[in-house]
Amino acid sequence: GAVVSQHPSWVICKSGTSVKIECRSLDFQATTMFWYRQFPKQSLMLMATSNEGSKATYEQGVEKDKFLINHASLTLSTLTVTSAHPEDSSFYICSASTGKWNQPQHFGDGTRLSIL
Amino acid sequence: GQQVMQIPQYQHVQEGEDFTTYCNSSTTLSNIQWYKQRPGGHPVFLIQLVKSGEVKKQKRLTFQFGEAKKNSSLHITATQTTDVGTYFCAGLGSSNTGKLIFGQGTTLQVKP
Repeated sequence: GAVVSQHPSWVICKSGTSVKIECRSLDFQATTMFWYRQFPKQSLMLMATSNEGSKATYEQGVEKDKFLINHASLTLSTLTVTSAHPEDSSFYICSASTGKWNQPQHFGDGTRLSIL
Repeated sequence: GQQVMQIPQYQHVQEGEDFTTYCNSSTTLSNIQWYKQRPGGHPVFLIQLVKSGEVKKQKRLTFQFGEAKKNSSLHITATQTTDVGTYFCAGLGSSNTGKLIFGQGTTLQVKP
């Protein structure tokens, strides 16, 4: 149980393109999902907290207009990297908890984004 | 802001040797969670510690939560090549947002 699916796994696209990443909880409902960014050999950096039916809460320094988050249902959150540039290349991972706020998070497989 | 420091950053051991990674938080934590990330993979939940002074074991892995709920450790006895990966501690603060503050991670290499 507690499976989180993230799609796509890999994206390579040209600079200026917008890229949408989907995160789905397959066998549970997730009121809250989290989006992280991870640089090579570094830790996970929380970008934003995605709340179903309301606006996402962004961490300090994360551009809201750059990284659009939509949590349309209890099983789906999307992250759109708008007008992506090479510096946006990274590994993006989503996670979700099965229940209360203090429960473990279950991570998607991640999306490796490369902007040429 | 709240920070979680984790050491060491890297550890190379011979198979069969023990391994320990340590975490320290700048603030008291509601709980601490441990995750393992294999190369090229995503973090996988290992365990959660909630109580002050709590100790939990999973086969060769022993997890401890400090009395002050500000530090934690993961100890692996007799490492195996399957233990290779990066181990992250992640602290949950007192707010009810569910936000985890991740440590920098300790990457374990095991020589066969």
